[in-house]
Amino acid sequence: QVQLVQSGSELKKPGASVKISCKASGYSFTTYAMNWVRQAPGQGLEWLGWINTNTGNPMYAQGFTGRFVFSMDTSVSTTYLQISSLQVEDTAVYYCARPLNSGGYYVGLDIWGQGTTVTVSS
Amino acid sequence: QSALTQPASVSGSPGQSITISCTGTSSNVGSYNFVSWYQQHPGTAPKLMIYEGNKRPSGVSNRFSGSKSGNTASLTISGLQAQDEADYYCCSYGGSSWVFGGGTKLAVL
Repeated sequence: QVQLVQSGSELKKPGASVKISCKASGYSFTTYAMNWVRQAPGQGLEWLGWINTNTGNPMYAQGFTGRFVFSMDTSVSTTYLQISSLQVEDTAVYYCARPLNSGGYYVGLDIWGQGTTVTVSS
Repeated sequence: QSALTQPASVSGSPGQSITISCTGTSSNVGSYNFVSWYQQHPGTAPKLMIYEGNKRPSGVSNRFSGSKSGNTASLTISGLQAQDEADYYCCSYGGSSWVFGGGTKLAVL
């Protein structure tokens, strides 16, 4: 079945970096882009951007350029989110999510990873 | 883009209907038919309930429906059930990015 499996929880100190993985299975990896969404404790969902898995070209939401980097390895059907210079405010659950394609357009996010908790604390 | 505006909470009794609004702008909700709605239970990943404003993915109950008027989209849940108690988020495409609403907590009393 189609699924996205993310790497485990991370505990980091401020200023460190973290790299989260999202392994796709059950479908052709390069057929769908991959989105990243985060949710701070007790807060709502926030779209970070997406990566075109066909070209490797990333697109970042406003406010998520510079410290946030999307990458991928097609040989293992995996996308990555790396966050550098971590701040306490980056503490959140990070989700990868595959979009639903309807008539050639991405119209929503229908397959989600289980989420990766990143805790930034000194 | 600024987050879409949703009420913080709504409530209803079993069997009743409720509607959650999602207000955006002419740059997102008002210009595109790409509004989606997500249900999230505590500690779990969001689940797609509605896409393209009023379409349901396979497996989603027909008690869930969506609509849009101008810059405001709405999610209606009819025949409320206890398991509908969750957080609900709207999301809209905005030209080159996606933006979520702040979320609405639904309580089934």
